[in-house]
Amino acid sequence: EAGVVQSPRYKIIEKKQPVAFWCNPISGHNTLYWYRQNLGQGPELLIRYENEEAVDDSQLPKDRFSAERLKGVDSTLKIQPAELGDSAVYLCASSSTATFETQYFGPGTRLLVL
Amino acid sequence: GQNIDQPTEMTATEGAIVQINCTYQTSGFNGLFWYQQHAGEAPTFLSYNVLDGLEEKGRFSSFLSRSKGYSYLLLKELQMKDSASYLCAVEGANSSYKLIFGSGTRLLVRP
Repeated sequence: EAGVVQSPRYKIIEKKQPVAFWCNPISGHNTLYWYRQNLGQGPELLIRYENEEAVDDSQLPKDRFSAERLKGVDSTLKIQPAELGDSAVYLCASSSTATFETQYFGPGTRLLVL
Repeated sequence: GQNIDQPTEMTATEGAIVQINCTYQTSGFNGLFWYQQHAGEAPTFLSYNVLDGLEEKGRFSSFLSRSKGYSYLLLKELQMKDSASYLCAVEGANSSYKLIFGSGTRLLVRP
C-alpha cells in the first residue's frame, strides 16, 4: 500500500514569492491534515479536512495561507506571499477517520524562504 | 491551556534500556500517541494508549496514567538505528480531536 505522497520535497524561494505544496493521502483515507514543523519542535496542525470539507482551520494564518481539497482526495496548501518565518517543514498526514485513528505522515516539504 | 512536556535530549548505550517520559495537560483526553522521527524524515507511528497501563510491542512499550497526566515510552535492547526524535502527542476531545504534539525527545544511542 502506497503511503502519503508529497511534492516537492524541497523548495527554496525568496520572500514575497508564492509557493504551493501538494499532498496525496493514503487511498481510502477520508481525513487529511496539514502540519507545520519548525526545527526542534513537534508538528503543529494548520488545517484538517473531512473529505472535501475543512473542519478545523483555526490555526491557519488566513491572510497568507490557503488550502483546498476539491474532490476529497489530494490537497494543495498555498502560501502567498511567503515570509522568512514560514521556513519550516510542511507535513501532510491522513487517517481513515478523524478520531481514535492513527495518522500516517508523508515525507514533508522542506521550505526555505530567503 | 494545553501543554505537553518531554525531555529535550537523552543519551543511552547500545543494548541498554531507556525510558522517555511525557507529561501532559490538555482539554479532554482521547488518547496518547508516540511517534518516531528520524532526522529529515516523516514521523512514524509507534504506539497508542487510551486506557491506563502498559502496551507492549516488541522492543517498544508505552505506559499511560490518565490520573497523573503521564506517559512513558520504554525502548529495550537499544540499537544504533533507534537514534531519532520521539514525539509524544495527545488527542484532546475538546480540541476537535486535534493531535497536540510535544517538542520531541532527541535520543542518541552510542556504541
